Amino acid sequence: GDSVTQMEGPVTLSEEAFLTINCTYTATGYPSLFWYVQYPGEGLQLLLKATKADDKGSNKGFEATYRKETTSFHLEKGSVQVSDSAVYFCALRFSNTGNQFYFGTGTSLTVIP
Amino acid sequence: NAGVTQTPKFQVLKTGQSMTLQCAQDMNHNSMYWYRQDPGMGLRLIYYSASEGTTDKGEVPNGYNVSRLNKREFSLRLESAAPSQTSVYFCASSAGQGNNSPLHFGNGTRLTVT
Repeated sequence: GDSVTQMEGPVTLSEEAFLTINCTYTATGYPSLFWYVQYPGEGLQLLLKATKADDKGSNKGFEATYRKETTSFHLEKGSVQVSDSAVYFCALRFSNTGNQFYFGTGTSLTVIP
Repeated sequence: NAGVTQTPKFQVLKTGQSMTLQCAQDMNHNSMYWYRQDPGMGLRLIYYSASEGTTDKGEVPNGYNVSRLNKREFSLRLESAAPSQTSVYFCASSAGQGNNSPLHFGNGTRLTVT
C-alpha cells in the first residue's frame, strides 16, 4: 500500500549548518507530496508542497524536489537557524483514496547556537 | 482568520468516561479529518469525512465515533475512554478537490486517560 518513510531522528545541528531530511515514498500513481512542520505545543503547518514530478517546493529557505525516478522528496535548507528547531513530517496524498493523507513518523530537529 | 479550531485544549478522563472533542473550520472546506499523534508513531488517521454527509474509517477507528454535524463541524467521540487513548488529537480540514489541496490543522487536544 501507499506509505512514506522518513529519516529517523533526532537530528542536532549547529546554527548555519546544512540540513537534509530524507523522505521516500511507495505509491501507485502520482501523488502530491508535502512537508509539514510542527513547533512545540502547536499543530502541523504546511511548509511546502509539490504536485508533479520535477516540481520544486520552497518556503522560508527550505526546498524539496519531487523525484519520481527515486520516489523521493528530501527536505533541504542551506543554513539552519535556532528558530528552525521543530518536528518535520513528510506526507503524500492521492485524491482517489478518499482524499487520505499518509504521513511519515516525523523527524525532530534541534539547532544549537 | 481562525482556520481550524479545536476544543478543549486539554482534558483528563478516568477510564470508562466519555467525552466529545469538537472541531470547526471556517475555510469552507469539504473534507475533515481526525488524527492522533503518539511518540514514535507519527500521525495516524482515526476517521475522516470526505464531504458533508459522509464519514469513513481510517487506520485506527476502534473506540471512536464521529459526526459530521454540518460542513463546518466534525466531532470525535470516545464512548468509554481507555488508557490506550491517551494521546494528542488533531483535527484537520482540506478543500478536498484535487491532489494539491493541503491539510490545515488545529492546535490539538491533549487527552490523558487515567
